[in-house]
Amino acid sequence: QVQLQESGPGLVKPSQTLSLTCTVSGGSISSGSYYWSWIRQPAGKGLEWIGRIYTSGSTNYNPSLKSRVTISVDTSKNQFSLKLSSVTAADTAVYYCARGSMVRGVIITLDFDYWGQGTLVTVSS
Amino acid sequence: DIQLTQSPSFLSASVGDRVTITCRASQGISSYLAWYQQKPGKAPKLLIYAASTLQSGVPSRFSGSGSGTEFTLTISSLQPEDFATYYCQQLNSYPPMYTFGQGTKLEIK
Repeated sequence: QVQLQESGPGLVKPSQTLSLTCTVSGGSISSGSYYWSWIRQPAGKGLEWIGRIYTSGSTNYNPSLKSRVTISVDTSKNQFSLKLSSVTAADTAVYYCARGSMVRGVIITLDFDYWGQGTLVTVSS
Repeated sequence: DIQLTQSPSFLSASVGDRVTITCRASQGISSYLAWYQQKPGKAPKLLIYAASTLQSGVPSRFSGSGSGTEFTLTISSLQPEDFATYYCQQLNSYPPMYTFGQGTKLEIK
């Protein structure tokens, strides 16, 4: 059973860089055709996709955040990471890491089948 | 960019009711739509993928249908554990970008 776990500071000061890591267990991050994503959810609001990485290092980002986001992968540690720069209070949210599936059997899926439990990051001085 | 609009945003229903949630896409997305259930303080859980395929372990009272621009999630007989918020989701092909509907909160009447 694949499991994902987010880790990182729960409090970040305005204008600083938010850094989170997602550790994948129960399977290799390099196996299969999966993308590894970050998704966030402000309190009481909906889900916003931040970006994704393939184990080759190829990335895609939400255009609304692209200038501030970097996602990287460390296959030796079975981890991928998020950096979001120049944060403001608007970046306060629960941050989730998730596995993006492309195909399941013969069916094209394009969904998120495994999620971390989420970690709350508050931007405040 | 393709937008997803869910209706209704709030739904009040009773145990045993049949409920339907609709997700409309601003452009055709074939059958590339997923549905999630999220309970307070928890991560979303995948229920339905490829518009109508039930994820392993999900009760059969959940079903999905649709293609193109209109999709539905139906719960045939509500159980107490089904009261939650539901989201639809799709992936733009170019540029690659996932989008979610705004959510439908299902509450106990």
